[in-house]
Amino acid sequence: NAGVTQTPKFRVLKTGQSMTLLCAQDMNHEYMYWYRQDPGMGLRLIHYSVGEGTTAKGEVPDGYNVSRLKKQNFLLGLESAAPSQTSVYFCASSQGLVPAETQYFGPGTRLLVL
Amino acid sequence: AQSVTQLGSHVSVSEGALVLLRCNYSSSVPPYLFWYVQYPNQGLQLLLKYTSAATLVKGINGFEAEFKKSETSFHLTKPSAHMSDAAEYFCAVSLLGGFKTIFGAGTRLFVKA
Repeated sequence: NAGVTQTPKFRVLKTGQSMTLLCAQDMNHEYMYWYRQDPGMGLRLIHYSVGEGTTAKGEVPDGYNVSRLKKQNFLLGLESAAPSQTSVYFCASSQGLVPAETQYFGPGTRLLVL
Repeated sequence: AQSVTQLGSHVSVSEGALVLLRCNYSSSVPPYLFWYVQYPNQGLQLLLKYTSAATLVKGINGFEAEFKKSETSFHLTKPSAHMSDAAEYFCAVSLLGGFKTIFGAGTRLFVKA
């Protein structure tokens, strides 16, 4: 039982390049989330999904797209990377929808956009 | 709108000393409150959560937190710090009917030998 895994662990992009971050969970959770973590700001929700085939915008969705084609996977895409998207990205999942549910986090992807 | 304020971005204690990490929240309705811990190069892990049952919540690794509605606080404590407690701690709040969790900015705990 690996929990929540994220690929890649670290990536360097040039401005304008695109990439996809992959999140996978093996806990059969319905709900999945993408957050970004910036110094002094805690975690901010980018997008979330309440089930296979569904996605919704979070607090800071601009510049990102997501897809949930399979229940266990949640992809985060950057179509044209910008330096402001330099951050650490965390994926999380939960059995039920917040507010009361515990979220299980992956180890993070560190992204540097030059 | 709900918000979370963690007082002190850095806290330093000696090994064996009391750990106190402060969290205040703002909410117009009863909240659900969480403390998560993040060890270096890892994701967040749940320490404990308050879901309107007992106001004193016990978590893992000897941590506990008390929900005080009158003070809108949910401070995290541990009687005796261990070196292994050095990490970043996040307080978070969610509301019934909401779809998101609001995280505080985090407090980094340093433990001195």
